[in-house]
Amino acid sequence: NAGVTQTPKFQVLKTGQSMTLQCAQDMNHEYMSWYRQDPGMGLRLIHYSVGAGITDQGEVPNGYNVSRSTTEDFPLRLLSAAPSQTSVYFCASSYQRMNTEAFFGQGTRLTVV
Amino acid sequence: ILNVEQSPQSLHVQEGDSTNFTCSFPSSNFYALHWYRWETAKSPEALFVMTLNGDEKKKGRISATLNTKEGYSYLYIKGSQPEDSATYLCASEGGKLIFGQGTELSVKP
Repeated sequence: NAGVTQTPKFQVLKTGQSMTLQCAQDMNHEYMSWYRQDPGMGLRLIHYSVGAGITDQGEVPNGYNVSRSTTEDFPLRLLSAAPSQTSVYFCASSYQRMNTEAFFGQGTRLTVV
Repeated sequence: ILNVEQSPQSLHVQEGDSTNFTCSFPSSNFYALHWYRWETAKSPEALFVMTLNGDEKKKGRISATLNTKEGYSYLYIKGSQPEDSATYLCASEGGKLIFGQGTELSVKP
């Protein structure tokens, strides 16, 4: 089983560049989300989706866009990268919105210079 | 936005010690409390998802309890082993899953 697949695993961007982090899951999960992990701050929720066509903001949404055109895919777009967006990004999915465990991708380490 | 707090931030114990961590969360708009284990260079993996007040779950030497009225959960590890070294995350679910900062556990042989 592929589970939750994130690409790329590593990326270096210059300030002002844009890019898309890809996330795909093959478990037919309704709920998908993006987190960023920074030292001493745990996982902070960026955006989430409760189903195809529905997205909402999390704790730290500024500078990021998402869309959910299919159940399987939930890409995260950085519109104009800033050094403050240097982080490790995790995509997660769960079968339904509530009361079910989240499955995480392997993470994307992004450096903005 | 939910505010989920974990304590302590880090813990260093000897092999064989038993240990416990605390997770506190807002008791209003509560749906579930999650515990995850996160090893270095890997992704978080679920330990427990708990929903009912007074709930207690166990997986091997690890167990967790839940008090939704006062807004806290405890995670216990009995007889810690070096392979238990990891960061333990709790997350509160109130429409979206919000994580605490984690407790980093180091178990020395």
